[in-house]
Amino acid sequence: DGGITQSPKYLFRKEGQNVTLSCEQNLNHDAMYWYRQDPGQGLRLIYYSQIVNDFQKGDIAEGYSVSREKKESFPLTVTSAQKNPTAFYLCASSIVDGYTFGSGTRLTVV
Amino acid sequence: GNSVTQMEGPVTLSEEAFLTINCTYTATGYPSLFWYVQYPGEGLQLLLKATKADDKGSNKGFEATYRKETTSFHLEKGSVQVSDSAVYFCALIKPGAGSYQLTFGKGTKLSVIP
Repeated sequence: DGGITQSPKYLFRKEGQNVTLSCEQNLNHDAMYWYRQDPGQGLRLIYYSQIVNDFQKGDIAEGYSVSREKKESFPLTVTSAQKNPTAFYLCASSIVDGYTFGSGTRLTVV
Repeated sequence: GNSVTQMEGPVTLSEEAFLTINCTYTATGYPSLFWYVQYPGEGLQLLLKATKADDKGSNKGFEATYRKETTSFHLEKGSVQVSDSAVYFCALIKPGAGSYQLTFGKGTKLSVIP
């Protein structure tokens, strides 16, 4: 079955470390997105990519980086510059207005 | 810019009660409107959508009508079940320049008690 796989489901990071969250899709969707979810804040867009080798900043890109070397993959790196990284991170892909979401990665800074 | 405002939660209802979650939007032109549902520890699933004024989206007993005159897309269900406990997000897409970005409301947590 087609879908989006995010890994790991839970991730712990020490302060000052970079960490990379994986997102893979087999839906053949061109567009992919990363969202951050905090309680009471809804979903905020971090980065998005509409085609391979191209991506744009969303509303809260500071402290994050992405790459899109393959259509299927859109990894997100949370850098040490992100001051408050503890959150639930959701990846999505879309074709026109049809979105599919992954099951998320919960990142905790310890 | 585009924005979505939905009623703050949490909302607690008894089983078989009537549910309304209010949602209003700000956008120029004619956006498409969506309701997504998020069960605990999971990603979002599309619940229903409407793409033009007066359209009614429906799924699993939930309904919402696209009201252009009041810029609203309120979610309703006649009789909620414990299994409906989740967070509900109202969202819109205003297509432009080949982009179909979702703009979300902050979410409303629903708890249904037996």
